Amino acid sequence: NAGVTQTPKFRVLKTGQSMTLLCAQDMNHEYMYWYRQDPGMGLRLIHYSVGEGTTAKGEVPDGYNVSRLKKQNFLLGLESAAPSQTSVYFCASRSTGTGTYEQYFGPGTRLTVT
Amino acid sequence: RKEVEQDPGPFNVPEGATVAFNCTYSNSASQSFFWYRQDCRKEPKLLMSVYSSGNEDGRFTAQLNRASQYISLLIRDSKLSDSATYLCVVNGLLGGTSYGKLTFGQGTILTVHP
Repeated sequence: NAGVTQTPKFRVLKTGQSMTLLCAQDMNHEYMYWYRQDPGMGLRLIHYSVGEGTTAKGEVPDGYNVSRLKKQNFLLGLESAAPSQTSVYFCASRSTGTGTYEQYFGPGTRLTVT
Repeated sequence: RKEVEQDPGPFNVPEGATVAFNCTYSNSASQSFFWYRQDCRKEPKLLMSVYSSGNEDGRFTAQLNRASQYISLLIRDSKLSDSATYLCVVNGLLGGTSYGKLTFGQGTILTVHP
């Protein structure tokens, strides 16, 4: 049982390049989330999904797009990377059980934009 | 005012010490409360949920004061392995419904030394 996996683990981009971060979970969770973590800022929600085919904006969605074509996968896209998007990106998922708010996180993707 | 505020520390304590972390939250409609632990360069993981009646898990005790919008975590008999960042996390509403939006504090760094 792998839980939540993320690829790639590390990436360096040049300003203006694009890339896609992949998140996969094998726990049959309905809800999935993308966060970014910056020093002194805590984790901030970028986008989230409450089920296959649905996505919504979080707190800091600008510059990112997402897709949830399959229940187990949640993709985060950067169309034109900027240095301000240098961060650690975490994907998370949770079940829909009542009162079950625990989110399970992937190991993170460290992205540097130069 | 940040939605969830923590003293960032760092806290440096000797093995065997008792240490307490505090956290305040601004949204009185918040429903659920947690402490997550994050090891260096790793993903956050749930340490414990926080209940109004207070709860204990081994050496860890969490308390919630809804009137003061205040959460605490007490660690007794600190171990070297307790060294980590402790994140205060509050669950609120997202998009008008409870899709499990977690709002994270910036974290409190704990270092336990021999």
